[in-house]
Amino acid sequence: AQSVTQLDSHVSVSEGTPVLLRCNYSSSYSPSLFWYVQHPNKGLQLLLKYTSAATLVKGINGFEAEFKKSETSFHLTKPSAHMSDAAEYFCVVSSGDAGGTSYGKLTFGQGTILTVHP
Amino acid sequence: EAQVTQNPRYLITVTGKKLTVTCSQNMNHEYMSWYRQDPGLGLRQIYYSMNVEVTDKGDVPEGYKVSRKEKRNFPLILESPSPNQTSLYFCASSLGSRIYEQYFGPGTRLTVT
Repeated sequence: AQSVTQLDSHVSVSEGTPVLLRCNYSSSYSPSLFWYVQHPNKGLQLLLKYTSAATLVKGINGFEAEFKKSETSFHLTKPSAHMSDAAEYFCVVSSGDAGGTSYGKLTFGQGTILTVHP
Repeated sequence: EAQVTQNPRYLITVTGKKLTVTCSQNMNHEYMSWYRQDPGLGLRQIYYSMNVEVTDKGDVPEGYKVSRKEKRNFPLILESPSPNQTSLYFCASSLGSRIYEQYFGPGTRLTVT
């Protein structure tokens, strides 16, 4: 079984300040983890992914995330927010064992809406 | 252009009237999947397909059917839609599920009255 919890449904920051979007996961097997972004009335776009290589993952637009197995967390950060970062962000886990019944399952978190103030 | 297409983009229907939402990808991806998006719930996986003729249930399969007769197409069928299936639906495809990026279609907004 696998699950994802995004700890904040809304995050509000000022332009130029750091961004932190929190994600905790649970899984029965070694997980792959993703962050996707959805701008208003748009589809979803991959920001970054962790697939058992380096635990600090860099993505597009200055975002990065750190996989912490001991804390079962995969928080998304950005040093300096930009107005164009305002969107909804989703943390996603995939952890089924090869050949197992849940191998193709992807589980999304509930989403975090990021608001950026001028 | 590499893309996932969905049709229709908007649909208003009545309870019990069978409908199909089509999904097609031109990237030769093996993995395809359907999701519904509801406010506060994120995206929830309905069904997925690892390859042609191979489909499996996601987290919310009740009331939906799928088929994968060709690699590029993965239609979502609602045989008897109900108002609780009013939602925004996304189709996605990828090379696989575990480590690959999902490419999402533009979404289909379905209203069932």
